[in-house]
Amino acid sequence: VQLQESGPRLVKPSETLSLTCTVSDGSIGGYKWTWIRQPPGRGPEWLGNIHHRGETNYNPSLKGRVTLSVDTSKNLLFLKMTSVTATDTAVYYCARGINWGWFDPWGQGTLVIVSS
Amino acid sequence: AIQLTQSPSSLSASVGDRVTITCRASQDISVDLGWYQQKPGKAPKVLIYAASSLESGVPSRFSGRGSGTDFTLTISSLQPEDFGTYFCLQDHSYPVTFGPGTTVDFK
Repeated sequence: VQLQESGPRLVKPSETLSLTCTVSDGSIGGYKWTWIRQPPGRGPEWLGNIHHRGETNYNPSLKGRVTLSVDTSKNLLFLKMTSVTATDTAVYYCARGINWGWFDPWGQGTLVIVSS
Repeated sequence: AIQLTQSPSSLSASVGDRVTITCRASQDISVDLGWYQQKPGKAPKVLIYAASSLESGVPSRFSGRGSGTDFTLTISSLQPEDFGTYFCLQDHSYPVTFGPGTTVDFK
């Protein structure tokens, strides 16, 4: 399985950040598809996950700004984050997880900069 | 949210040294803990999952121990390619949380 994030590099404050993760060479079924971000020079932060049937879990620190979805027919994962500010500037990763602290693989990450 | 603390925050060691990093959870997380290595500009890579299971392809000099609240990652003989930042991660309960990281560099 390979993961690849894509989306705009620059987003204006107060707008919506939209990213796509393409899952290649594998099935979406049976895993927890996870979004994680890492601000420059800081540690990773879990944003949320989505199961192939659409069940979601989110980090409450994001105060309802994040929505995850999946298109199983195209093996695509989607992240939308509303009302972004400069503090949302980060490298955004998608990753495959199950349990026991296991996440593999990760995408290469995509840097999103929030700036006017 | 479950808090993870790591010690030390950074360390300098020599090739061949035995290195141990500790991760402590704010509550019992059973063995739902992974250890990750991250190099600059790259995504984290899983080394250990379920506290002590070695990920396929990871050198056997890496090992993990612990359960409940106290965990360790040990590198038995540090190699030049082992520089980087090491994170612990728990997914026992949501939100998934990460430790603050331990940076390993060479003397």
